[in-house]
Amino acid sequence: DIQMTQSPSALSASVGDRVTITCRASQSVSDWLAWYQLKPGKAPNLLIYEASRLQSGAPSRFSGSGSGTEFTLTISSLQPGDFATYYCLQYHWGYTFGPGTKLEIK
Amino acid sequence: QVQLVESGGGVVQPGRSLRLSCAASGITFKSYGMHWVRQAPGKGLEWVSYISYDGTFEYYVDSVKGRFTISRDNSKNKLYLEMNSLRDEDTAVYYCARKGSTMIPIDYWGQGALVTVSS
Repeated sequence: DIQMTQSPSALSASVGDRVTITCRASQSVSDWLAWYQLKPGKAPNLLIYEASRLQSGAPSRFSGSGSGTEFTLTISSLQPGDFATYYCLQYHWGYTFGPGTKLEIK
Repeated sequence: QVQLVESGGGVVQPGRSLRLSCAASGITFKSYGMHWVRQAPGKGLEWVSYISYDGTFEYYVDSVKGRFTISRDNSKNKLYLEMNSLRDEDTAVYYCARKGSTMIPIDYWGQGALVTVSS
């Protein structure tokens, strides 16, 4: 089975900061990697798919990169609504979520 | 707009059964594959099951194989998850979600239904 890891597991940052979250796969998933934002009591929100494609309606401050086994989600300038938990999802070998990265206000 | 509304959650004893439903609107339901994804209390997201647009293919996470069954009724725009032999570790919020295009694994989600397995 494919394993997904994310780092860091938690992150404190301030409004305006540039933030990067890393997702790693135990074997290559090519470009079949998506990023979701989850806030308490709300449905997850798709930000990035196919590693680097911005979902329609997602703010342009979110970007994704990577291929194979290592991927990153970057938020160029944190906004108050961005404090949430972020999950990567590989969909090359079935579907497997990463464990999540909780982004908190410093 | 796209709406996915789950129902059927509740408290159930270990070993018993429960069926979740998801009513879809605002989409051509019969054209899309559908997923169930869950989140246990204090834990991360876990993909549970997928069914193809026509019900031909079904996939499950290993921990629910043989206990859970995904199905759909395209005439009613509904998705189902039949959960048998429930365990404490099945306690979670269960989300119904739509598969997007070939390149998009999940694009729309419901608000979730809470299933609590407890004696």
